[in-house]
Amino acid sequence: GAVVSQHPSRVICKSGTSVKIECRSLDFQATTMFWYRQFPKKSLMLMATSNEGSKATYEQGVEKDKFLINHASLTLSTLTVTSAHPEDSSFYICSARDWAGLSTREQFFGPGTRLTVL
Amino acid sequence: KQEVTQIPAALSVPEGENLVLNCSFTDSAIYNLQWFRQDPGKGLTSLLLIQSSQREQTSGRLNASLDKSSGRSTLYIAASQPGDSATYLCAAAAGGTSYGKLTFGQGTILTVHP
Repeated sequence: GAVVSQHPSRVICKSGTSVKIECRSLDFQATTMFWYRQFPKKSLMLMATSNEGSKATYEQGVEKDKFLINHASLTLSTLTVTSAHPEDSSFYICSARDWAGLSTREQFFGPGTRLTVL
Repeated sequence: KQEVTQIPAALSVPEGENLVLNCSFTDSAIYNLQWFRQDPGKGLTSLLLIQSSQREQTSGRLNASLDKSSGRSTLYIAASQPGDSATYLCAAAAGGTSYGKLTFGQGTILTVHP
């Protein structure tokens, strides 16, 4: 159980275009989803936290108009990178937590999406 | 602000050795401490989660300990195998109203050679 998927796994786009990444919880209802970014050979940095049906909370230094997050249902959150630039190229990973996670604080991670902006 | 540090940054050992990976955190008010494995270009695989009230957790050849007061956790891998080669990340979950926000260390790159 507790499987999280991401789509696409890899995406290459031209500078200036927008890219949408989906994060789905396959066998549980995710009340909270998290989006992380990972640079090559670096650790994961939390970008934002989203709760179903409400606006995402962004970490300091993350542009909310640049990285749009929507958590419209209990099984789906999307991250849209708007007007992508080469510096947005990175590995984006989502995680999800269910109701039980309110007490355990355990998050389940997706496989990640490799974004390359040309 | 929580800071998590992992030592060593990289480790290369021959197959069969027992090894210890270290993780330290600056704010002891954590909710839990998790260890993950990440293979190149892949997502995270959760290995062990230690709640703040626990001292250790074991799964197979892996044993993780937690000492909140000193801000330290260790991951012990017994009888290492080439398949254990990966990057190992520890992450501290914030307590209080942060609802478990994770702060990750930089990771230890482990190579186990035959």
